[in-house]
Amino acid sequence: QKEVEQNSGPLSVPEGAIASLNCTYSDRVSQSFFWYRQYSGKSPELIMSIYSNGDKEDGRFTAQLNKASQYVSLLIRDSQPSDSATYLCAVGGYSTLTFGKGTMLLVSP
Amino acid sequence: GAVVSQHPSWVICKSGTSVKIECRSLDFQATTMFWYRQFPKQSLMLMATSNEGSKATYEQGVEKDKFLINHASLTLSTLTVTSAHPEDSSFYICSARGQGSTDTQYFGPGTRLTVL
Repeated sequence: QKEVEQNSGPLSVPEGAIASLNCTYSDRVSQSFFWYRQYSGKSPELIMSIYSNGDKEDGRFTAQLNKASQYVSLLIRDSQPSDSATYLCAVGGYSTLTFGKGTMLLVSP
Repeated sequence: GAVVSQHPSWVICKSGTSVKIECRSLDFQATTMFWYRQFPKQSLMLMATSNEGSKATYEQGVEKDKFLINHASLTLSTLTVTSAHPEDSSFYICSARGQGSTDTQYFGPGTRLTVL
């Protein structure tokens, strides 16, 4: 059974700090990795996708993938209170995605 | 790009009635659509996967006779909750994946169903 593990949090960081969110997955043949942001009461919103080992940067967000360690992370630089949300890690390899339970991030002003 | 809409955004119904939820991809053709359910403070749970023109594939434990899914076109999928009961009250979210090799799913805004 494919599993995606995330620390449920909450992860609390002050405004302007770097928030680091982590995710591990069990299926070694996974090929695609995603980070979604979900505000309370809303549906998930795609932030980043990554397919190759290494880093991928998009604005304040950096996704990091290490397939050997089965580990994917999301760094948020200069965190803002508006970044406070639950961040879902999703892993794909076939036709569907497997979602983690999400990490709640709280950014305090 | 990659906009997915859902209708209605919320619905309240009486126990025993059926409710239909529509999911539309507005600016791309969705070869595959997914239906998820999310209870408060819980993670997303995949209910079923539907490919245009084919029968939906349901996840284990999801009653296909209760949750009817139709994916009649490349831009529209519907989920009908038949004979709804209070335990079916949840946040139903669809996602769509376009043609191509990536697994990227774009989510609709969700439908909050309350069954009285």
